[in-house]
This record gives sequence, structure tokens and C-alpha cells, in this order.
Amino acid sequence: KNEVEQSPQNLTAQEGEFITINCSYSVGISALHWLQQHPGGGIVSLFMLSSGKKKHGRLIATINIQEKHSSLHITASHPRDSAVYICAVHNNDMRFGAGTRLTVKP
Amino acid sequence: NAGVMQNPRHLVRRRGQEARLRCSPMKGHSHVYWYRQLPEEGLKFMVYLQKENIIDESGMPKERFSAEFPKEGPSILRIQQVVRGDSAAYFCASSGTGPTGELFFGEGSRLTVL
Repeated sequence: KNEVEQSPQNLTAQEGEFITINCSYSVGISALHWLQQHPGGGIVSLFMLSSGKKKHGRLIATINIQEKHSSLHITASHPRDSAVYICAVHNNDMRFGAGTRLTVKP
Repeated sequence: NAGVMQNPRHLVRRRGQEARLRCSPMKGHSHVYWYRQLPEEGLKFMVYLQKENIIDESGMPKERFSAEFPKEGPSILRIQQVVRGDSAAYFCASSGTGPTGELFFGEGSRLTVL
């Protein structure tokens, strides 16, 4: 069993839909990151969480430390949100989820 | 642009040659991480360095791979005697405060071994 499990693996949505991507982990962490990787391959850090909830524009990330679970929500999804979203948990090393491939259709 | 700079962006090597990948962290950042992404696979942690120190190298292959982050200059990931299985994208990230800090990623270096 992977230490970081993401679901779903693939997600197709219509423009405007509300999207949720989930991440569960089984190790102790200093922080949890949500990353976005576009088809060109570049990686952008969306959020770094150690507790609670953060919001940036249409993106919201939450974490429940007791349950070892985090969610990434995208409101009013847009085709430009199409990317792979990766959950990563951080101590000195970093363990990555396999990623969720999101496709938003116009 | 004061972002994380990686070079070269693309590198082609023949089997047995050496590959050197460089990463200049964001200004003021002293924590550097290297990750590898094999084709069609997820990211894997390789090594975490601070200036002149290796903090965690648990993800580094035991042979042929080494990393350094000298007092002056960029961090270097060195792969000796490359094999086809080393073909991958190698990403570097930096942070200002280690494991509790926000990470900033470079664009990656794509190594192709012929």
C-alpha cells in the first residue's frame, strides 16, 4: 500500500463543475503540499498545509491531521485547470501521491 | 527572475557518460530538494540538501548518483556511467525553511540516455 493515496486517478469534468480531489496518507508529516503539473511538465506548488484550510482564488485546500486526510477543491472549473494534481507529504524526504489527471471540457 | 533555475533543460548522453544537472535555488533559500520523474510515473524524492550538508539521501540510488550543494554556487546532481533507465525528468525545488516551508520548483532537466 502506498504511503500517499490519491483519488480519483483520473477525473473528467464539464466547465463550471465543482471538483474534489482526495489524499490520504499513513506517515507522520511536517507539511502537506498540493502540486500542479501541466502537460509541459512544469510543477507549481499550489498549497502548503500543516493544519486547517487555505484558499487561493478558486482553489481551496483542507487538511485533517487526525484523520490524515486532505482535499483539494476547485470551484467553477475551467479548461485551463486541466493538469495533473499531486499530493505530497513532507518531512525531510517527500512522499508523493500518484497524481490525479484532471480534464475540464468546455 | 528570482525563481529556481535548472540547467540544462534538456541533456542527451550516451550510455556510460556522465550527466551533471545544476540547480540554483531562489535567492535566500538554503534548502534544496531533488526529485526524479520516470516516464509515465510519479515523482520520487531523491535527496535533501542544505548548504554544504546532505540532510536526507534516502531516495538516492546507492551507486553512480551523488549530489552536493556547496557554499558557493548551484546544487549539482551528478550521475556517473549513465544507463538508459536514468532517462527521466529531474526536478529541483528550494525552500527557505526546510520541511515546513513553501516549496518552489524549477522547470526540470530532462535527461535522455541513448
